[in-house]
Amino acid sequence: EAGVTQSPTHLIKTRGQQATLRCSPISGHTSVYWYQQALGLGLQFLLWYDEGEERNRGNFPPRFSGRQFPNYSSELNVNALELEDSALYLCASSFGQAETQYFGPGTRLLVL
Amino acid sequence: GEDVEQSLFLSVREGDSSVINCTYTDSSSTYLYWYKQEPGAGLQLLTYIFSNMDMKQDQRLTVLLNKKDKHLSLRIADTQTGDSAIYFCAEIPGAGSYQLTFGKGTKLSVIP
Repeated sequence: EAGVTQSPTHLIKTRGQQATLRCSPISGHTSVYWYQQALGLGLQFLLWYDEGEERNRGNFPPRFSGRQFPNYSSELNVNALELEDSALYLCASSFGQAETQYFGPGTRLLVL
Repeated sequence: GEDVEQSLFLSVREGDSSVINCTYTDSSSTYLYWYKQEPGAGLQLLTYIFSNMDMKQDQRLTVLLNKKDKHLSLRIADTQTGDSAIYFCAEIPGAGSYQLTFGKGTKLSVIP
C-alpha cells in the first residue's frame, strides 16, 4: 500500500512569489494535515482538512492557505513568500479525526 | 496549555539501551506518539500509547506512561547505529483538537 506522497520534493522560489505544494494521502484516509518544520522552530501545525473542509488552522498568517479535493488530496499555497518561509513542509494523513497520522517525505521550500 | 518538552541530545554506545524522555502538560491528551526522523526525511511513526495504558512494548521499543506526572518515555533496547535520528514525542490534546503538538525532538547519536 502506498504511503503519503508529496510533490515536489524541493522547491526554490524568490521573495514575493507564490508556492504550491501537493499531498496525496494514504488510500482511504480522509483527513490531511500540514505542518511546517523550520530550523530552530520545531514542528508547527499549519492546517487540517477533513472531508473537503478546512477544520482548523494554526497560528499562521492568511497567506498560508490550502484546499482539499474530492479525492482527498490536498494543496498548500503560500503567497507573498518571505525568507522565513524556508522550511520543510510535511503533510500527514489519517483515517479520520483523532486517528494516527502518517507522514509523507516532505517538500523542502527554499525562499531566496 | 499545550506544551511538550524533551531533552535535545542523547548519546549512547551501540548495544546499550537508550531512554528518551518527554513531558507534556495537557492532561486531557488521548494518544501520545513517538516519531523518528532521519536526516532529510519525513517522520516515521514508531509507536503510540493510549492514555489509559501504562506501558506498551513493541519488539525493541518500550513506551512507559506516567499519567500522574505527565511523563512519557521511549526505551530502545540494543541500540544500533541505524537508530541514530531525531525522535519526536507528540500528543493529540483533547477538547476536539486533532492536530499533533510536538516536542522539539531528541537527537540520538549512537557511538559504534
